[in-house]
Amino acid sequence: GNSVTQMEGPVTLSEEAFLTINCTYTATGYPSLFWYVQYPGEGLQLLLKATKADDKGSNKGFEATYRKETTSFHLEKGSVQVSDSAVYFCALRSSNYQLIWGAGTKLIIKP
Amino acid sequence: NAGVTQTPKFRVLKTGQSMTLLCAQDMNHEYMYWYRQDPGMGLRLIHYSVGEGTTAKGEVPDGYNVSRLKKQNFLLGLESAAPSQTSVYFCASSYSVADTGELFFGEGSRLTVL
Repeated sequence: GNSVTQMEGPVTLSEEAFLTINCTYTATGYPSLFWYVQYPGEGLQLLLKATKADDKGSNKGFEATYRKETTSFHLEKGSVQVSDSAVYFCALRSSNYQLIWGAGTKLIIKP
Repeated sequence: NAGVTQTPKFRVLKTGQSMTLLCAQDMNHEYMYWYRQDPGMGLRLIHYSVGEGTTAKGEVPDGYNVSRLKKQNFLLGLESAAPSQTSVYFCASSYSVADTGELFFGEGSRLTVL
């Protein structure tokens, strides 16, 4: 069946460090892939998405590239800020249009 | 600019009590969802609705009931609460099937069952 695996957190970085949060998936066909972010005390919000292989989603300095050959959608940012501290969820949209979620990765940025 | 609003935000119940969580959206979205979020498990879909008057079971529907009498509202009910239902509940909505990857979430309702 379809599944999403994220790296376990928490991930702790210093401000201005480079960020990578790994996400790999298992799916039949060609799913769409998403990153959602949940700031403390808030609901989730869409960060970026990619709908086909080699697409790159980007938003707020974050990027992720849909890699079909490695079934991955890793989230990256060149220079993180304290305000990026949040929980990040990778998800895929399966053929029946339901979202399959990863467990989430908590990111802590220290000043 | 309300978006998706959930009430209540916090609730403590005793085992066996009942309660209803209300979700309201003002974006005229067709699709609405109830998820629960537990540590280390991501989001799990409880029930969803593809339009007014319709509901369907998700991944973990047991112990919950839902109703969508009005397009803008989606209610989640617990008839006899159990400690295993202690969780954070999120309501979400989306415009269409083709758009169901882009969900709009409420702020969550934290439920504790003692």
